Amino acid sequence: GAVVSQHPSRVICKSGTSVKIECRSLDFQATTMFWYRQFPKKSLMLMATSNEGSKATYEQGVEKDKFLINHASLTLSTLTVTSAHPEDSSFYICSARDRTNNSPLHFGNGTRLTVT
Amino acid sequence: QKEVEQNSGPLSVPEGAIASLNCTYSDRGSQSFFWYRQYSGKSPELIMSIYSNGDKEDGRFTAQLNKASQYVSLLIRDSQPSDSATYLCAVISSGSARQLTFGSGTQLTVLP
Repeated sequence: GAVVSQHPSRVICKSGTSVKIECRSLDFQATTMFWYRQFPKKSLMLMATSNEGSKATYEQGVEKDKFLINHASLTLSTLTVTSAHPEDSSFYICSARDRTNNSPLHFGNGTRLTVT
Repeated sequence: QKEVEQNSGPLSVPEGAIASLNCTYSDRGSQSFFWYRQYSGKSPELIMSIYSNGDKEDGRFTAQLNKASQYVSLLIRDSQPSDSATYLCAVISSGSARQLTFGSGTQLTVLP
């Protein structure tokens, strides 16, 4: 089955630093990847849609200059949280679909970010 | 706005019972429907896909789709404590964007 690898699984950083999270589709090509954020006991919130070779599409209220997304190839998207603050602490999950329009999303294992 | 609605629960059932999870969606043109399971602190895991009206069975899971009523459900037979999780309904909308929209999830607890 389709596998999405996300790294790191857990990161602790100091306030003001930047953190990069990688998302890879291991056995399929993903023209589109999605980044979600989830706070404890809350539902998934779509942050942005990452499009290979073009700019990401951000959801309303998500700062594109703070959450930098790069989708340089059909198998890799990265999310960089810049100048992290404690309120950015959350569970970040990437997902990807293969090129078939009706295919489901496959999720990475998520990254637990803690900003101290 | 295209919406997917779920009863947030919590839903509690005794071990061995049938758990019934329901989902409605607003986009009548939707064609693809999915159920995900999410354990606390983990990312969602796909458990069922359904694309046409009727029932689809996979082990203890049965997905039911009724496009006329814009309703999709998930039945879990012989529920086990390990089934305790949040279940997310997801729908691919019509239109060129083919966006996947999630419901807010139903928290299921299976009591031993």
